Amino acid sequence: GAVVSQHPSRVICKSGTSVKIECRSLDFQATTMFWYRQFPKQSLMLMATSNEGSKATYEQGVEKDKFLINHASLTLSTLTVTSAHPEDSSFYICSARGPGQGYEQYFGPGTRLTVT
Amino acid sequence: QKEVEQNSGPLSVPEGAIASLNCTYSDRGSQSFFWYRQYSGKSPELIMSIYSNGDKEDGRFTAQLNKASQYVSLLIRDSQPSDSATYLCASDVGGADGLTFGKGTHLIIQP
Repeated sequence: GAVVSQHPSRVICKSGTSVKIECRSLDFQATTMFWYRQFPKQSLMLMATSNEGSKATYEQGVEKDKFLINHASLTLSTLTVTSAHPEDSSFYICSARGPGQGYEQYFGPGTRLTVT
Repeated sequence: QKEVEQNSGPLSVPEGAIASLNCTYSDRGSQSFFWYRQYSGKSPELIMSIYSNGDKEDGRFTAQLNKASQYVSLLIRDSQPSDSATYLCASDVGGADGLTFGKGTHLIIQP
């Protein structure tokens, strides 16, 4: 149980275009999902917390107009990188808070974004 | 500011030995603690969670929590080469915030 999927797993786009990444909880409902970014050889950095039916909460320094997050259902959150630039190239990983009483988070497999 | 500290390593352990990974946290309000394993190029995988003082065992893994010392550890018995990965310690104060991660310890199991 507690499986999270992400799509696409890998995407290459041109500078200036927008990319949408989907995160789905497959076998449980997730009222809260999280989006992380990880640069090579660095730790995970939380970008934003996504709550179903409400606006996402962004971490300091993360541009909310550039990284659009929508959590329209209990099983789906999306991250759209708008007007992508090469410096946005990174490994984007979503996670969902699990269905149990604890606060475990289960991670999707990640999306590797390359902006050329 | 919530912080989780880990030694980045690399920590090199011979195959079959016990690997000991340590983590300290700064926020005394932290209630939940997690160990994730991350292989290179992959996303983190939850391997242990611990909420109360003491030891928690699951197969070859034992998590230890000492809230008075603000210290969490992970022991891996009978280490295998497949255990070679980066191990992330994380804490959650139980609210809506995401997990606070340490920078991870790179573990190498030598055959």
